[in-house]
Amino acid sequence: AQSVTQLDSQVPVFEEAPVELRCNYSSSVSVYLFWYVQYPNQGLQLLLKYLSGSTLVKGINGFEAEFNKSQTSFHLRKPSVHISDTAEYFCAVSGFNTGGFKTIFGAGTRLFVKA
Amino acid sequence: ETGVTQSPTHLIKTRGQQVTLRCSSQSGHNTVSWYQQALGQGPQFIFQYYREEENGRGNFPPRFSGLQFPNYSSELNVNALELDDSALYLCASTNPRDNEQFFGPGTRLTVL
Repeated sequence: AQSVTQLDSQVPVFEEAPVELRCNYSSSVSVYLFWYVQYPNQGLQLLLKYLSGSTLVKGINGFEAEFNKSQTSFHLRKPSVHISDTAEYFCAVSGFNTGGFKTIFGAGTRLFVKA
Repeated sequence: ETGVTQSPTHLIKTRGQQVTLRCSSQSGHNTVSWYQQALGQGPQFIFQYYREEENGRGNFPPRFSGLQFPNYSSELNVNALELDDSALYLCASTNPRDNEQFFGPGTRLTVL
């Protein structure tokens, strides 16, 4: 079975500071990894994805993430955040296992950027 | 290219009723997935349809059922509604070239 743990429910940070949102996963099969952002009253928007290849993945809005297979982590980073980055961020894993193809989301991390 | 659309936007039902939610996938996407997102939580995978067949299901009871049509649009049906079914229901279609999911804006279901 697959599972996703987002280690921080809330992350407050000052504008222009760096941020890291942590995500650990477990799976007995190969998976795809994703980070999504959700603004209030909206659907989910893909920030970046890891399917294979280079473990450092760059996404939209200056975000990047690094796939670490040995630590089963996929942490999201941004070197300098803006007020507009305030939103809910979700880590997700997709893959085939018993019962077919599934996508599992973490519980989310609320990023709050302060002026 | 139109994105993923869902209807209705909002819906209010009473306990015990049945509901049907609809989703139009993005052009060229033959896979559709449905998720339930309760307030303050992450999306929970309900099921996925590929070429009109269910090919993956999460931990939801049989009263949650679905259909995918030849044009790859999809329906989510929920029977015998319970208060805990109140949530945002998200539909996503998958780009077969890179497995990226594109989400619709969701349907907000309230069960009274």
